[in-house]
Amino acid sequence: DQQVKQNSPSLSVQEGRISILNCDYTNSMFDYFLWYKKYPAEGPTFLISISSIKDKNEDGRFTVFLNKSAKHLSLHIVPSQPGDSAVYFCAASAQSNYQLIWGAGTKLIIKP
Amino acid sequence: DAGVTQSPTHLIKTRGQQVTLRCSPKSGHDTVSWYQQALGQGPQFIFQYYEEEERQRGNFPDRFSGHQFPNYSSELNVNALLLGDSALYLCASSLGTGQETQYFGPGTRLLVL
Repeated sequence: DQQVKQNSPSLSVQEGRISILNCDYTNSMFDYFLWYKKYPAEGPTFLISISSIKDKNEDGRFTVFLNKSAKHLSLHIVPSQPGDSAVYFCAASAQSNYQLIWGAGTKLIIKP
Repeated sequence: DAGVTQSPTHLIKTRGQQVTLRCSPKSGHDTVSWYQQALGQGPQFIFQYYEEEERQRGNFPDRFSGHQFPNYSSELNVNALLLGDSALYLCASSLGTGQETQYFGPGTRLLVL
């Protein structure tokens, strides 16, 4: 039973355009969500997070949107740069639980 | 400021052997979590250590055990290795005060033959 789903295994975007990565979850107890980026042979790098009391959080080129009623979150990267090419993971946790539950990841490819 | 470090980077073992992986948390962090990441999947939570105790455990058998030392570093031990234990093992550190962001090390790639 996958509690966090990233339904797009890969996404290709032109450099300079917007990249939108999506994530769906099923557990209504989740109240904290994170996005990580992972390059090959490296550990995941934290990008941005959002608490369930908010519906948007912004940090530079990265914005995360949370739609609690739809149990959906998305990561927007504007503008996309070549260095953004990586695998992006969505993760979630519940306040009563310390573990992070992860999606399977989306491979983002930024085309020149 | 040193980030999370893990050793070794790569390891090859045979079935039935035992392995120990090591992790040093980011400076100032007191909590260590361990994850297993199989190819093409997201990380799966193994357990978390806080104040030298296992605070929470994921759905992994007792062959997986751990330890946290007074300096907050941690070890992951896996006994009676199976082929299916081949994976990237990630260590993450955080502050133990709640839902704090977890910061990851580069991982240890374990291959069981």
